[in-house]
Amino acid sequence: GENVEQHPSTLSVQEGDSAVIKCTYSDSASNYFPWYKQELGKRPQLIIDIRSNVGEKKDQRIAVTLNKTAKHFSLHITETQPEDSAVYFCAASLMNTGFQKLVFGTGTRLLVSP
Amino acid sequence: NAGVTQTPKFQVLKTGQSMTLQCAQDMNHNSMYWYRQDPGMGLRLIYYSASEGTTDKGEVPNGYNVSRLNKREFSLRLESAAPSQTSVYFCASSARMGQAAGDYGYTFGSGTRLTVV
Repeated sequence: GENVEQHPSTLSVQEGDSAVIKCTYSDSASNYFPWYKQELGKRPQLIIDIRSNVGEKKDQRIAVTLNKTAKHFSLHITETQPEDSAVYFCAASLMNTGFQKLVFGTGTRLLVSP
Repeated sequence: NAGVTQTPKFQVLKTGQSMTLQCAQDMNHNSMYWYRQDPGMGLRLIYYSASEGTTDKGEVPNGYNVSRLNKREFSLRLESAAPSQTSVYFCASSARMGQAAGDYGYTFGSGTRLTVV
């Protein structure tokens, strides 16, 4: 089955710096890669996702890149702000008929200091 | 439009007691899931229901059972709670391809914090 590894487990940056979180996956058939943000005591929320026919996707200050050959994908946050502080999870799944069974990474705790 | 609703939000059980966690979604999603979240281990899939009438085991199903009552509701039952089941439980739902063009991410409920003593 699919296995997703996520690094680093914790990341501390200064406000305005960039942050990068990296994930690798094991199943070359996986074709859907979402990222979730979880604030303390809250539910995970989807912030961006990418499908395997796309190499990069951007949404304002966040971007995700995918390298299918190397089986890794990354989340990039630019101009970080204190409200970006949260735990971020990557995930991977095979989505063919539309059903998806996500396998999550172990999470990265991002701390943005003012 | 409430999204995914989970009850209860908090629960303390004694070892050996049973309980059912309830989950309901109002987004007409076909697929529903139960995950548990433990520190340092991310979210692990317990059971899932790809569509109404079907359920399957995930990564960590031992000690749990599920029921897909109808398209909206998916419950998780602990028959004999153990301290190892102390965790935060999240229910989620997702659309099938074609149901919501371009949006296939999970919508999570607010979670149930369960402590077994």
